Amino acid sequence: GENVEQHPSTLSVQEGDSAVIKCTYSDSASNYFPWYKQELGKRPQLIIDIRSNVGEKKDQRIAVTLNKTAKHFSLHITETQPEDSAVYFCAASIPEYGNKLVFGAGTILRVKS
Amino acid sequence: KAGVTQTPRYLIKTRGQQVTLSCSPISGHRSVSWYQQTPGQGLQFLFEYFSETQRNKGNFPGRFSGRQFSNSRSEMNVSTLELGDSALYLCASSSRTSGVLPSTDTQYFGPGTRLTVL
Repeated sequence: GENVEQHPSTLSVQEGDSAVIKCTYSDSASNYFPWYKQELGKRPQLIIDIRSNVGEKKDQRIAVTLNKTAKHFSLHITETQPEDSAVYFCAASIPEYGNKLVFGAGTILRVKS
Repeated sequence: KAGVTQTPRYLIKTRGQQVTLSCSPISGHRSVSWYQQTPGQGLQFLFEYFSETQRNKGNFPGRFSGRQFSNSRSEMNVSTLELGDSALYLCASSSRTSGVLPSTDTQYFGPGTRLTVL
């Protein structure tokens, strides 16, 4: 079945710097890739998603890029702020399995002020 | 619109007992998926319901079951609880408008139910 690997497991950046989190997936049939942010004790919150017919998507300080050939996708956060500190999860899904998301292990992002 | 809600928020049970968790999706959403979150295994898919029918199932034992009602509210049940079932159980809803696959919808998570098995 699908497998998603996420790196790094922890990431510390200085406020104002950029942060990049990378994920690779195993099944080339995957075509939907969401990113979730989870703060301590809170629900996972969708921050951005991308479908395989698009190579890049941006939303203010957040962007996601997708390389279907290499089977990897990345989250880019620019001008990081302390409130960006959280655990970030990537996920992938195969359309024939409907809404089943396969998640990466998560990245703890710490933004130091 | 109100977000996804889950009840109860916290639950303590002992081994061998059973538990039922409830999830109310965003108004108008007809698909509900359930996930288990643990420090060791991360987020793992349990099952998805759409229009009262189970659409997909993850790799969990038969002790884990679910159902969906005509108003799209969903429940999951875990029987014969084991210590390893201690986890945060999350449900997510999406506005799937058709049961026809293949497709994946944007999913929105509830706050979760924290289950502790003693």
